[in-house]
Amino acid sequence: AQSVTQLDSHVSVSEGTPVLLRCNYSSSYSPSLFWYVQHPNKGLQLLLKYTSAATLVKGINGFEAEFKKSETSFHLTKPSAHMSDAAEYFCVVQIKAAGNKLTFGGGTRVLVKP
Amino acid sequence: KAGVTQTPRYLIKTRGQQVTLSCSPISGHRSVSWYQQTPGQGLQFLFEYFSETQRNKGNFPGRFSGRQFSNSRSEMNVSTLELGDSALYLCASSLGPTGASYEQYFGPGTRLTVT
Repeated sequence: AQSVTQLDSHVSVSEGTPVLLRCNYSSSYSPSLFWYVQHPNKGLQLLLKYTSAATLVKGINGFEAEFKKSETSFHLTKPSAHMSDAAEYFCVVQIKAAGNKLTFGGGTRVLVKP
Repeated sequence: KAGVTQTPRYLIKTRGQQVTLSCSPISGHRSVSWYQQTPGQGLQFLFEYFSETQRNKGNFPGRFSGRQFSNSRSEMNVSTLELGDSALYLCASSLGPTGASYEQYFGPGTRLTVT
């Protein structure tokens, strides 16, 4: 069975500094991987997705993620944090052989300090 | 185009009661998925419907059920509510079934509190 581990439950950064959110996955098959963001009292919004094309994926709002098969990682980065980036972020894995159900990581809550 | 709407947004029920939540997908979307979000268990997949048929089901007891209508609107029902059913229930819609590279669009959720 596939699983997703987000290595940090909370991340605190200063506005204008880089953001790194770490995600490791476990799967016997080639996965599709996603990052979603959830702002308070809102639904989830897709930031970016990896589906076996380019390993460096660019998403919305300046975010990008790199798929590293050898490390089974899919870390999310942004060069310069903005106050509006304060939210909870979810790394998600999807395996075709497992019925395409989405499996979510535990989430990383990002705090951006002025 | 209107987004995914969920009603009601907030709900308080008593143990043992049953509840029905509703989800209206984005116009033209035929797939609806349901998720439960709790602080302890995180986000968990409940089930997916496409063209009125359940395509996938997560590991939840039979008290959790759902259906989809011909207009793609979906409802989920929880019978014999337990305290542990208190959660944010999220609905997501997509043009086609998951796994076919269709992006899922999430609604704001229904916050269910069981007392």
